[in-house]
Amino acid sequence: AQSVAQPEDQVNVAEGNPLTVKCTYSVSGNPYLFWYVQYPNRGLQFLLKYITGDNLVKGSYGFEAEFNKSQTSFHLKKPSALVSDSALYFCAVRDTDRDDKIIFGKGTRLHILP
Amino acid sequence: DVKVTQSSRYLVKRTGEKVFLECVQDMDHENMFWYRQDPGLGLRLIYFSYDVKMKEKGDIPEGYSVSREKKERFSLILESASTNQTSMYLCASSWGGDRGEKLFFGSGTQLSVL
Repeated sequence: AQSVAQPEDQVNVAEGNPLTVKCTYSVSGNPYLFWYVQYPNRGLQFLLKYITGDNLVKGSYGFEAEFNKSQTSFHLKKPSALVSDSALYFCAVRDTDRDDKIIFGKGTRLHILP
Repeated sequence: DVKVTQSSRYLVKRTGEKVFLECVQDMDHENMFWYRQDPGLGLRLIYFSYDVKMKEKGDIPEGYSVSREKKERFSLILESASTNQTSMYLCASSWGGDRGEKLFFGSGTQLSVL
């Protein structure tokens, strides 16, 4: 069965430093990969996705993610963190060779320290 | 902008009650989803639907049912609410033309079952 792992419950980064939020996945076919963000008391918002093509995808708010097929990873990155980036981040995967379920990871809480 | 509206932000129900959670989207999306969000468990898929009157079980359908009589509306039903169904419920929708389409989420319904 498809699965998504976010190995860190929480990540702390100083403002202005680069940030990485990790995600690994397991699917039987080709993955469609997504990152979503949840700000306090708000619904989830789409950040970016990887379908095919360039392994580095760019998304909203200056975020980007790198698809690594050999490591089955899709880590979220940003070169310079802002305090306003503090939120809950979810990685999600859709297995294109199986049913159409979209499965989410457990989430990583990102704290950007002023 | 796409709008996914969940009828209630907060609900308090008693054990054994039948509970209806309503979700309406205004962008003519084919696909609709119900997730529940629990701390440390992330988002778990309950049910999803790719067309009117169609439904598919997600990963945790037990104790739930759904109804999709109209394209824009997807209802989640708790046949007999139990305390372990206390959770944040999130509805989402997406266009059906491509599996890579992003999800649009509602603001969520925080359900407490006493």
